Amino acid sequence: GENVEQHPSTLSVQEGDSAVIKCTYSDSASNYFPWYKQELGKRPQLIIDIRSNVGEKKDQRIAVTLNKTAKHFSLHITETQPEDSAVYFCAASSLGGSQGNLIFGKGTKLSVKP
Amino acid sequence: KAGVTQTPRYLIKTRGQQVTLSCSPISGHRSVSWYQQTPGQGLQFLFEYFSETQRNKGNFPGRFSGRQFSNSRSEMNVSTLELGDSALYLCASSLRPGNGYTFGSGTRLTVV
Repeated sequence: GENVEQHPSTLSVQEGDSAVIKCTYSDSASNYFPWYKQELGKRPQLIIDIRSNVGEKKDQRIAVTLNKTAKHFSLHITETQPEDSAVYFCAASSLGGSQGNLIFGKGTKLSVKP
Repeated sequence: KAGVTQTPRYLIKTRGQQVTLSCSPISGHRSVSWYQQTPGQGLQFLFEYFSETQRNKGNFPGRFSGRQFSNSRSEMNVSTLELGDSALYLCASSLRPGNGYTFGSGTRLTVV
């Protein structure tokens, strides 16, 4: 089955700096890669996603890149702000396939210092 | 529109007991998935349901079971509770399997 590795497990940056979180997946059939943000005591919330027919997607300060050949995808947050502090999870699934459920990485705790 | 609703929010049970958790998806969403979240293991997949059928099941013992009703509401049941079952159980719904999931706030289960 699918396996998703996420690095780093913790990341501390200064406000205004960029943050990058990387994930690798094992199943070449995976074609949908969402990222979730979970603030302390709250539910995971979808912040951005990308499908395998696209190499990059941006939404304001957040971008995701996908390298299908290498089977890895990354989350980029620019001009970080204290409210970006949270745990970020990457995930992978195969839309339309038998394994449609999301498999998550173990998460990255991002701390943005003012 | 209303989000994903999970009940109860908190639950304390004794080892050996059983528990049933409920999830009402967003209106129109027919896919429901369940995840167990613990500090050490992150988000682990339990089951996925679509149109009342279990499509996938994660690597959990048979004590964990679930079902989905015709109105897309879902329940999960854990029998013979163990201390290690203490976790946040999250339900997520989407229009179709694997698509952008919306999570509920979860049920915090504590087994003592």
